[in-house]
Amino acid sequence: DARVTQTPRHKVTEMGQEVTMRCQPILGHNTVFWYRQTMMQGLELLAYFRNRAPLDDSGMPKDRFSAEMPDATLATLKIQPSEPRDSAVYFCASGLVIRTADQETQYFGPGTRLLVL
Amino acid sequence: EDQVTQSPEALRLQEGESSSLNCSYTVSGLRGLFWYRQDPGKGPEFLFTLYSAGEEKEKERLKATLTKKESFLHITAPKPEDSATYLCAVQAGYSGGGADGLTFGKGTHLIIQP
Repeated sequence: DARVTQTPRHKVTEMGQEVTMRCQPILGHNTVFWYRQTMMQGLELLAYFRNRAPLDDSGMPKDRFSAEMPDATLATLKIQPSEPRDSAVYFCASGLVIRTADQETQYFGPGTRLLVL
Repeated sequence: EDQVTQSPEALRLQEGESSSLNCSYTVSGLRGLFWYRQDPGKGPEFLFTLYSAGEEKEKERLKATLTKKESFLHITAPKPEDSATYLCAVQAGYSGGGADGLTFGKGTHLIIQP
């Protein structure tokens, strides 16, 4: 049963600390997305990669957030320094697109629940 | 700007009481409309993709329909295990930064009472 995996599942940290979240996409998928979910804003796109190349990060606060995909089986989202307003659930999703502008179904991981004190 | 509005925000039904959830959208072209189910503490679980007006898809007690402005998720004779938050999302048809990402509604929190 192919699934997106995320670690850690829960993270409590203090303001100013660095936080790194990891995602393993479904094997064979070529697109990886990072979303953030809060009660107020719902699910919002932060950034995404296709074939490991960053395509868009306009949803991400550039000064403190960074996303990378060091290889096809690992995507990372880093926050440095973290702030209380970053508290949220961060989801990774993966999908497979053959041709640009083709519709793709995105499959979500279980999320990382982040609390910044 | 792409927008998705879901109604109602919350819905409480008796077991067996059928109803519909609404998803209204505005998008620059529509590549796909997606329905997801989300249980507490879990990630969204994919249910359906709809591509064009008039399309319908079914899965067990759920049926999704699509028009040019909205989508409905019909729940027939629901059971308590259908209780969850149902999310609607759209993927725009244009190319460019962010176009492949999904724009989500806030969801409908559905409770089915035994």
